[in-house]
Amino acid sequence: DVKVTQSSRYLVKRTGEKVFLECVQDMDHENMFWYRQDPGLGLRLIYFSYDVKMKEKGDIPEGYSVSREKKERFSLILESASTNQTSMYLCASSWQGYGYTFGSGTRLTVV
Amino acid sequence: GNSVTQMEGPVTLSEEAFLTINCTYTATGYPSLFWYVQYPGEGLQLLLKATKADDKGSNKGFEATYRKETTSFHLEKGSVQVSDSAVYFCALSVSNTGFQKLVFGTGTRLLVSP
Repeated sequence: DVKVTQSSRYLVKRTGEKVFLECVQDMDHENMFWYRQDPGLGLRLIYFSYDVKMKEKGDIPEGYSVSREKKERFSLILESASTNQTSMYLCASSWQGYGYTFGSGTRLTVV
Repeated sequence: GNSVTQMEGPVTLSEEAFLTINCTYTATGYPSLFWYVQYPGEGLQLLLKATKADDKGSNKGFEATYRKETTSFHLEKGSVQVSDSAVYFCALSVSNTGFQKLVFGTGTRLLVSP
């Protein structure tokens, strides 16, 4: 089975800190995604990548950036964390039209 | 644009009750439709999917039929169990040049009591 691993389950960071969320997949998928999940809002796409060094903005990219230097790794960066970025962050990967595989999520709290 | 609307939860049922979670969509073109499930403390898992009109997706006793005429993809199960308690997300995919991007509904929490 494809496995998508997110480096942390829980993170607490201070306002203004630079935060890195890491995601690694082990099945050579081209496509990788970062979502945030908030009650009543469902999943919202932040950024996605369809190849190494390629990235595209999703629906809510403001305040975030991403990095994909290797095919298996997709990092989400909060340049200067703010309290409104407190959320559950979900990484996913996919290969063409065969559905997504999600990681277990990182619950980030910014204080 | 592309969007998915789900019934608000929580849906509270007793064990062995019949389940329906409504999902309707708006899409350009001909999307594929999905149901994902999220158990407590975990990420999302694909539950079932349908790729064209009148297709029925099924898995673990859950079913959903792609209804183009009503733009719906309602999730059903004949007899729920306590272990089905989770959040269920309806989603659609739109493909541009072969690349699939998912659009999710807001999720519906299901609570099943013994």
